[in-house]
Amino acid sequence: DAKTTQPPSMDCAEGRAANLPCNHSTISGNEYVYWYRQIHSQGPQYIIHGLKNNETNEMASLIITEDRKSSTLILPHATLRDTAVYYCIVRVGAAGNKLTFGGGTRVLVKP
Amino acid sequence: GAGVSQSPSNKVTEKGKDVELRCDPISGHTALYWYRQSLGQGLEFLIYFQGNSAPDKSGLPSDRFSAERTGGSVSTLTIQRTQQEDSAVYLCASSLAPRAGRGNGYTFGSGTRLTVV
Repeated sequence: DAKTTQPPSMDCAEGRAANLPCNHSTISGNEYVYWYRQIHSQGPQYIIHGLKNNETNEMASLIITEDRKSSTLILPHATLRDTAVYYCIVRVGAAGNKLTFGGGTRVLVKP
Repeated sequence: GAGVSQSPSNKVTEKGKDVELRCDPISGHTALYWYRQSLGQGLEFLIYFQGNSAPDKSGLPSDRFSAERTGGSVSTLTIQRTQQEDSAVYLCASSLAPRAGRGNGYTFGSGTRLTVV
């Protein structure tokens, strides 16, 4: 699976949008972009995933660049409960194998 | 059940003892994964089961670690002769299908916090 690069940490003001970048410059055509988050003392939680089109669900939006070498996870209105480590992962579509977690971005939402 | 269930939630054991950690995946999920997370670290893949296929054991750190999945459902991770460096949170996840893009990805349990003293 392709490697991803994320900033180690970022702060966000409560109520504002949080934009979390991820670089995956070596992504190949059959790899999806997945986002998970891990709130302290809990297991990781699925947020969203996409292949090449932008995606939106009740939790977040995922913007993937046209060349697919980077993506941005958008939390539209961050709350204190969104404080967590956010992981960007790329995964081969055809292989039923593991998710490889990197270091993620530690997001702190401040009041 | 509604989610992935792991037991026990906490386990303290003496160095050298064997431990068994249990994972009940979501009913109907064919893929099951074990990860571990040491304090302040990221998730480390251990083993993956998919249906009746041979498991992917490439992440098991030593031969003291083993896992089985009976009847395609419940899985048990066994650590023999535990060492202090085995102390970590052991997380189990399951998914409806192994192929990325289908379903909503993995569902993780809350983990078992193992402390070896």
